[in-house]
Amino acid sequence: DQQVKQNSPSLSVQEGRISILNCDYTNSMFDYFLWYKKYPAEGPTFLISISSIKDKNEDGRFTVFLNKSAKHLSLHIVPSQPGDSAVYFCAASPILLQGAQKLVFGQGTRLTINP
Amino acid sequence: EPEVTQTPSHQVTQMGQEVILRCVPISNHLYFYWYRQILGQKVEFLVSFYNNEISEKSEIFDDQFSVERPDGSNFTLKIRSTKLEDSAMYFCASSEQGQFFGPGTRLTVL
Repeated sequence: DQQVKQNSPSLSVQEGRISILNCDYTNSMFDYFLWYKKYPAEGPTFLISISSIKDKNEDGRFTVFLNKSAKHLSLHIVPSQPGDSAVYFCAASPILLQGAQKLVFGQGTRLTINP
Repeated sequence: EPEVTQTPSHQVTQMGQEVILRCVPISNHLYFYWYRQILGQKVEFLVSFYNNEISEKSEIFDDQFSVERPDGSNFTLKIRSTKLEDSAMYFCASSEQGQFFGPGTRLTVL
């Protein structure tokens, strides 16, 4: 099941520079997209989301871009900080009946911020 | 800041035994979920729960699994007769918009 793909298993970025994490999806029924950060032995931490009616959402250092025609989204972190080092998961969901979600996760990208 | 909590953090059980994993979702959230992550694999959706009933479930969520909201705060996942392949991290989540995850319960079936 490759409905959500993160093709880069790892990414290394210099502190202070921009980190760009990419995600592709195949299911046209997805209309809500999320990014999560995960440390070992912890649950995923919600970072930012975007619905399909938008193409950009910004929250502090985090910006998510959605390109529906290309079925692609990206997460930009600027400036990158050492505490951003973690595994980042992209997730997507159709909006189900009654508003529930059913997240489909990518494989994750391990981001390392170098001092 | 409100958070989702899960107990226990680690559960070890013998194959064939019943286990109950417990979760306390964020209090004003209406939607509740269980996911699992087998070691080295993706996080997978199991079930969503709204208004005291299952709203969606995956093919993984067979008759061995059940969920319950026994009171106003707890949300439980029961596995009736555990199998070796049920060994995984189990995450509870709740949502208004974005889903907020608990820290997980590591289930080890021997």
